[in-house]
Order: sequence, then C-alpha cells, then structure tokens
Amino acid sequence: KQEVTQIPAALSVPEGENLVLNCSFTDSAIYNLQWFRQDPGKGLTSLLLIQSSQREQTSGRLNASLDKSSGRSTLYIAASQPGDSATYLCAVRGSSYKLIFGSGTRLLVRP
Amino acid sequence: NAGVTQTPKFRVLKTGQSMTLLCAQDMNHEYMYWYRQDPGMGLRLIHYSVGEGTTAKGEVPDGYNVSRLKKQNFLLGLESAAPSQTSVYFCASSYRTGGNYNEQFFGPGTRLTVL
Repeated sequence: KQEVTQIPAALSVPEGENLVLNCSFTDSAIYNLQWFRQDPGKGLTSLLLIQSSQREQTSGRLNASLDKSSGRSTLYIAASQPGDSATYLCAVRGSSYKLIFGSGTRLLVRP
Repeated sequence: NAGVTQTPKFRVLKTGQSMTLLCAQDMNHEYMYWYRQDPGMGLRLIHYSVGEGTTAKGEVPDGYNVSRLKKQNFLLGLESAAPSQTSVYFCASSYRTGGNYNEQFFGPGTRLTVL
C-alpha cells in the first residue's frame, strides 16, 4: 500500500531564505508526482507535476525533483517571501486513478 | 475559463437530511474526482469518474453516491447525512495526453457540517 510522508510537518523561516520541502513514498511504481499549495480555508493550487520519466520540473522560484528509485521528491523554493506561507502537499499517482496525498508541510515565511 | 467550480460553498445539515454537491468544469476533462479532507486524515478519494456516464468507488465511498450524466458535471450525493460526514469536500478534474496522466485541478471546496 502506497504511503506518502512529508517532513517536516511545519517550517518557519525568515524572508529571503532558500528552503527545501521533502516528500517520500513507499512504492516506486508511480505515474507521476504533483506538488500543491493550500492556503487556509482554500482549495488546492497545483504547483508542479513531474511525470515518472522526468527528473525535475521548474516554475519560477520553484523547482521540484523526483528520484523514483529512492522514493523521494523535493520542492525547492528560492528566495522565500511572506506570500509563500501556506501548506504544501505532495501527492503521487500509482496504477489506480487516485492521488495519494502526504499530510503536508506548513510553511511560515517571516518578514 | 472558470476551471473547476463547486456549489454550494458552505452547508449545514441535520442528521438524516440529504443533499447534492455539484462540481462543474469547463476544461473538457475526461476524469473527475471527489475527495474529502479531514484534520489528521489528509485528502481521501470518495468516488471518481473516467468519462461521461461512468463512476467508480474510491477509498471511502460508503454513504455517498455520484453521477456523471454530463461530461462537465460530477454530482456527489449524501442520501442520509451523518455527523461523520462533516468535512471539506473537494472536486478535481484531469485529462490524459497519450500515455501521460496530467495534473489534477481542484475546486475551491464545500464545507459541510452535519449536526
């Protein structure tokens, strides 16, 4: 059974710092991995999608990597800003149609 | 292009009442999903659909029914609401390109409280 773990559960950093969020999964047989952002009381916003054949994806200040063999993905946020404060979720898609979500990392970027 | 929309945004029900949550997408996506999000449990798939007229069970389907009569709409029904169904419900949609499953796009959610 696929399990997705995100560490740390919460992170507080000063503005301007580069940071890395971690996601690990137990079954390497995945189709893709998706990173989301969720603001309090809001829906999920898709940030990056990495297909199983890809190693990384970039969008602006965000870079996500995928290492299927080790069951790991990282989300790198460069030059963090207070507006980046949110919960970040990773989710993997296996052979079924559903996404398996991690429990998220709550990020606070202090001005 | 509104993306994925959900109706209503908030609802309070009494135990035993019924209701239908509506999800609509204007991206011509084949796949649609209903999730629930609960503190400490994360997001879990309730039901999903791989095309118009088809539905299938997810992880936590008990107490819910769904219908996909039109490609753009996916309805989630609660026939007899229970307090355990208090949650935030999210609808999502996605599409496939060749052999690749693409990203899922989520709606803003419906906050349901069952008293």
